[in-house]
Amino acid sequence: SQQGEEDPQALSIQEGENATMNCSYKTSINNLQWYRQNSGRGLVHLILIRSNEREKHSGRLRVTLDTSKKSSSLLITASRAADTASYFCATDAFKLIFGSGTRLLVRP
Amino acid sequence: NAGVTQTPKFQVLKTGQSMTLQCAQDMNHEYMSWYRQDPGMGLRLIHYSVGAGITDQGEVPNGYNVSRSTTEDFPLRLLSAAPSQTSVYFCASSPTGFNSPLHFGNGTRLTVT
Repeated sequence: SQQGEEDPQALSIQEGENATMNCSYKTSINNLQWYRQNSGRGLVHLILIRSNEREKHSGRLRVTLDTSKKSSSLLITASRAADTASYFCATDAFKLIFGSGTRLLVRP
Repeated sequence: NAGVTQTPKFQVLKTGQSMTLQCAQDMNHEYMSWYRQDPGMGLRLIHYSVGAGITDQGEVPNGYNVSRSTTEDFPLRLLSAAPSQTSVYFCASSPTGFNSPLHFGNGTRLTVT
């Protein structure tokens, strides 16, 4: 069974809008990571947030972590067509376990 | 700096055949792992290694073998291919394991007929 589950499964927005994706997990973690996957390619690491951190920023990306609710969110601000990809959260309960992903489509 | 290199990119096998998917990294990473990605299933961990000579099972190890004789290489062997092993396989590495970002290869798309 998967540790992390992303929500929504798919998201379609207009260029310039913000995109928010959520991840829920089941057991205690040391860190949570977000990855992006462009079609036909391997995953690319975006952000790692540790269990003692509540928020982290990287450029247009903002990640929050709520360990009491066992959930995380990824916010992409001012989205671009190039942000079209699948986004995955991964948790490290013991082995790095990935969720099923959110497919983001940014329409020009 | 090539990162993580997977070969081949595509492979078609008949049921019962065996083959080895190759993975090599040039970043001197101790941790390497294999995932399979199926539609709607995300990535599932097959096997991983925390260093040369050390391997362990992931979520879905059945039907696969691995070995780690060097830091650089982590081949995945399919012993007797089955249609259920049709998938995209990704190799990933990181400096220290679960607490550091993974670097992924571009995948091997395997079809078993």
